[in-house]
Amino acid sequence: KAGVTQTPRYLIKTRGQQVTLSCSPISGHRSVSWYQQTPGQGLQFLFEYFSETQRNKGNFPGRFSGRQFSNSRSEMNVSTLELGDSALYLCASRSTVVDTQYFGPGTRLTVL
Amino acid sequence: KNEVEQSPQNLTAQEGEFITINCSYSVGISALHWLQQHPGGGIVSLFMLSSGKKKHGRLIATINIQEKHSSLHITASHPRDSAVYICAVSESNQFYFGTGTSLTVIP
Repeated sequence: KAGVTQTPRYLIKTRGQQVTLSCSPISGHRSVSWYQQTPGQGLQFLFEYFSETQRNKGNFPGRFSGRQFSNSRSEMNVSTLELGDSALYLCASRSTVVDTQYFGPGTRLTVL
Repeated sequence: KNEVEQSPQNLTAQEGEFITINCSYSVGISALHWLQQHPGGGIVSLFMLSSGKKKHGRLIATINIQEKHSSLHITASHPRDSAVYICAVSESNQFYFGTGTSLTVIP
């Protein structure tokens, strides 16, 4: 089985722009979670989608949003980018059969 | 206030040593997770625990629900174990992460 894939792997944007990141889960996995990792704050949970519905949400402003499609692929959008949004964004898919998360390689976003 | 505290922050060991990383948490949890992150960012989920003990190869994870404490043990450590180990807890709709323990195993 292919692992979790994320595109793009690297991205440079400027303040005020918006960005969309994509995550394709492992085939058969219906849960996709998104995380932000920064040197200062470490790993932080953004949100989780299951069967196209947001199931859980972390403490992030409304500029951070996401969605999940019927094929379980998920996108994360950040609007009005700020310098502090520079981070590694990780997604993870989870199997309901074996309750383990599988992480993608991440998208490294730099905001200038 | 950090909901999840890990110790030590940094750890250097000689190859073959027994290693213990500790995690304490302050919230009620549904599960505790141990993650491994190698340089370059890739994260691997090692264990998910809600009680007792789990073993996978040279890795052992234990949890004490009453004391709100978990340990990750690595037996016969190897340089390829060098990574950051992150403890995370899930509670209701939230996930909380520790700041990680950076482990370096010297040959």
